[in-house]
Amino acid sequence: ETGVTQTPRHLVMGMTNKKSLKCEQHLGHNAMYWYKQSAKKPLELMFVYSLEERVENNSVPSRFSPECPNSSHLFLHLHTLQPEDSALYLCASSQAQGAGEKLFFGSGTQLSVL
Amino acid sequence: GESVGLHLPTLSVQEGDNSIINCAYSNSASDYFIWYKQESGKGPQFIIDIRSNMDKRQGQRVTVLLNKTVKHLSLQIAATQPGDSAVYFCAENAGGTSYGKLTFGQGTILTVHP
Repeated sequence: ETGVTQTPRHLVMGMTNKKSLKCEQHLGHNAMYWYKQSAKKPLELMFVYSLEERVENNSVPSRFSPECPNSSHLFLHLHTLQPEDSALYLCASSQAQGAGEKLFFGSGTQLSVL
Repeated sequence: GESVGLHLPTLSVQEGDNSIINCAYSNSASDYFIWYKQESGKGPQFIIDIRSNMDKRQGQRVTVLLNKTVKHLSLQIAATQPGDSAVYFCAENAGGTSYGKLTFGQGTILTVHP
């Protein structure tokens, strides 16, 4: 148990579906992140929220829509995805200090887009 | 562009041996480095970190060495155990108020044989 919980663990969706990924952190951190992990590629930062405000959007297509209602919860809303969006989506949290800080990751949601 | 890379994509060792995983980085402004371990079906798990004002840091059975002159980072695991088998990632932070904008390497697969 890392203190960061992601649901669902696995998700299969068609290109016309709408689904949401959920993340909850129990560590009292003030920053939350979405990362994408594709096979044979480094982890890619997608979004960063600090104190519930989005501070980073790393050129992510609009078919991915994040939501951070409070400092403990983070969602990633998905719609009209493409097969190349199939990947492991990882949520992370940290206590942002502005000088480099370690991220605590959840176990991820393995997404398959058909 | 700036990147973090790994010299060896796979490493195979015998149980009880010491393991050394290497990482090269190219961003001279990076001031914080971190190693993660990722087991199958899990998210990355923090192992150890080091700031650029240090050249060595030790944890439990692990040591990280930082050579800023040649921009090289290594992770040493003493008395490697089968439970150490995983993918190991290094990551760097380019400094400033970065909100955990870690740049990850591609990973090294460590396999420990009993």
